[in-house]
Amino acid sequence: GAGVSQSPSNKVTEKGKDVELRCDPISGHTALYWYRQSLGQGLEFLIYFQGNSAPDKSGLPSDRFSAERTGGSVSTLTIQRTQQEDSAVYLCASSIRDRVSEAFFGQGTRLTVV
Amino acid sequence: AQSVAQPEDQVNVAEGNPLTVKCTYSVSGNPYLFWYVQYPNRGLQFLLKYITGDNLVKGSYGFEAEFNKSQTSFHLKKPSALVSDSALYFCAVRDGGYNKLIFGAGTRLAVHP
Repeated sequence: GAGVSQSPSNKVTEKGKDVELRCDPISGHTALYWYRQSLGQGLEFLIYFQGNSAPDKSGLPSDRFSAERTGGSVSTLTIQRTQQEDSAVYLCASSIRDRVSEAFFGQGTRLTVV
Repeated sequence: AQSVAQPEDQVNVAEGNPLTVKCTYSVSGNPYLFWYVQYPNRGLQFLLKYITGDNLVKGSYGFEAEFNKSQTSFHLKKPSALVSDSALYFCAVRDGGYNKLIFGAGTRLAVHP
């Protein structure tokens, strides 16, 4: 596609439910990144994929968070048993090489846990 | 650990005036510093970066940033602000390998006509 596409753009969920956030990177981009943007806290690194493997997932805040990438393309970020503190904008980015400074960011998914 | 700080939550500037958005950093080793902009309802966009070389770095949309090692600062500047520059600006530093950036909390720039 023309850019990084994320879906849904907005998600409201009840506390305790599981959610899946999807990221479609730019075609041909082998590197994919997930960040979380919380109010007043900037962007927080979550996980990095190179192809289908995740060499760095040090930013996942708890074992309720997981991510996968299939076919070297689409990635899904899953949050189990959501909590109110999970409310944030989740941003995905992709790049040709493993250089996040050259990455293109999607518009994000705004997650609200009520 | 690497970190950046943006001391101002918001900066207000009149159109046509120069603008400065502040960023200070704390790193071990040589810093790799970046500025990004986030317009409403749009993804984060790269503005400019400092890796090495000249302390004054020029970037997109007429922005520039000055690297100051003695003050550990990397302030974003523009000689003449436009209303369309109004957005959220993030300073960032590379942490470890190429795959991770550490972002500041962001500064909201409001340019008034």
